[in-house]
Amino acid sequence: IQLTQSPSSLSASVGDRVTISCRASRSISTYLNWYQQKPGKAPKFLIYAASTLQSGVPSRFSGSGSGTDFTLTISSLQPEDFATYYCQQTYTSPLTFGGGTKVEI
Amino acid sequence: EVQLLESGGGLVQPGGSLRLSCTVSGFAFSTYTMTWVRQAPGKGLEWVSTFTRGGDTYYADPVKGRFTISRDISKNTLYLQMNTLGAEDTAMYYCAQNFLYGTTWAGGFDMRGQGTMVTVSS
Repeated sequence: IQLTQSPSSLSASVGDRVTISCRASRSISTYLNWYQQKPGKAPKFLIYAASTLQSGVPSRFSGSGSGTDFTLTISSLQPEDFATYYCQQTYTSPLTFGGGTKVEI
Repeated sequence: EVQLLESGGGLVQPGGSLRLSCTVSGFAFSTYTMTWVRQAPGKGLEWVSTFTRGGDTYYADPVKGRFTISRDISKNTLYLQMNTLGAEDTAMYYCAQNFLYGTTWAGGFDMRGQGTMVTVSS
């Protein structure tokens, strides 16, 4: 299953609402996860089952979608949110990641 | 506190072998599914292999037949034996504790370590 993220990069300002799309090549129900990665660091697990926040993740992050179309939304971008975001499907092997979306200032 | 400590990376010649280790603490290792994820320099994330809590193993196509995932419960350690390495295997390798949900055998990946770098070059 291929995951296509869009855009591949975006520029935004602190306080902006940011939306990242992830499209699957076929239906994956809600078996979709989101990660945040900052330079030189391991990815951080943000959201599972398309819309459930991992413990400790700020509520400004939200996820939605099912089937083939998914969205990660940051309601009010904070300085620490500038990073690269990846979606990942866990519906079937081989497990796959999207190509990533870099959120820049 | 959950801790994952990867080790064993380094420089290896094409065709060579390397064994990565991930020593864990802070949770009941034997009851968790564990995974290796890698990231080539400047590239995205790639799933490599999973060892389920039931002992089943899964591999990505590019590593099938060359890599072997295993665990030693007595040492709280997950391994990745990598043979016949090529330049395409050059990457940072992360160990992950799987977060299971629904009916999936894999769930999500909680990567809390710093990773270990593997460089395949002559």
